[in-house]
Amino acid sequence: KNQVEQSPQSLIILEGKNCTLQCNYTVSPFSNLRWYKQDTGRGPVSLTIMTFSENTKSNGRYTATLDADTKQSSLHITASQLSDSASYICVVISETGANNLFFGTGTRLTVIP
Amino acid sequence: GAVVSQHPSWVICKSGTSVKIECRSLDFQATTMFWYRQFPKQSLMLMATSNEGSKATYEQGVEKDKFLINHASLTLSTLTVTSAHPEDSSFYICSARDWRGSSYEQYFGPGTRLTVT
Repeated sequence: KNQVEQSPQSLIILEGKNCTLQCNYTVSPFSNLRWYKQDTGRGPVSLTIMTFSENTKSNGRYTATLDADTKQSSLHITASQLSDSASYICVVISETGANNLFFGTGTRLTVIP
Repeated sequence: GAVVSQHPSWVICKSGTSVKIECRSLDFQATTMFWYRQFPKQSLMLMATSNEGSKATYEQGVEKDKFLINHASLTLSTLTVTSAHPEDSSFYICSARDWRGSSYEQYFGPGTRLTVT
């Protein structure tokens, strides 16, 4: 069964601190993995796209890693800001099928001053 | 970057009435759009796939006669919630694929908050 699990479910950190969000998946066949940021009451916005051959990719203060062998990904946020408070959703794309996006339940990050 | 818009951003309607939500791809053509529903503190749940010029494909458990989808052009898909009930209150998000060669980027709209009283 194709599943995407994220941890932790929620996280509270102090402004300026770093944090790491985890994503484990069982989706097969794998095409790529995407991290999205979703602010409350808004649609998801893409942060990174990881293909099978990519281990690490950065987008500003966001760094995503992918281990395709263990089917794990992480999103590291450096020097957090209050505006980073949002839900972070891991989405795994399968190679097959038109409806081939599998969503994690998200990690709710709250950055406090 | 490509943008997907939704209108309205929020709507309140009375039980038994119908509500139409529009989804537009602003600077690319989308042969396929997707409609999702999201309840509080939950992830997006795919409702249906909207195909330009043909009938939508609904996920199991989604009533096609209640959630009418029309993809009349390459830049517009509409979702009509018919005979709305309070349990239909949710956050509805559309998504569209921007194909670039053999790969694509999937963009999400800002969502529409529906409240049925």
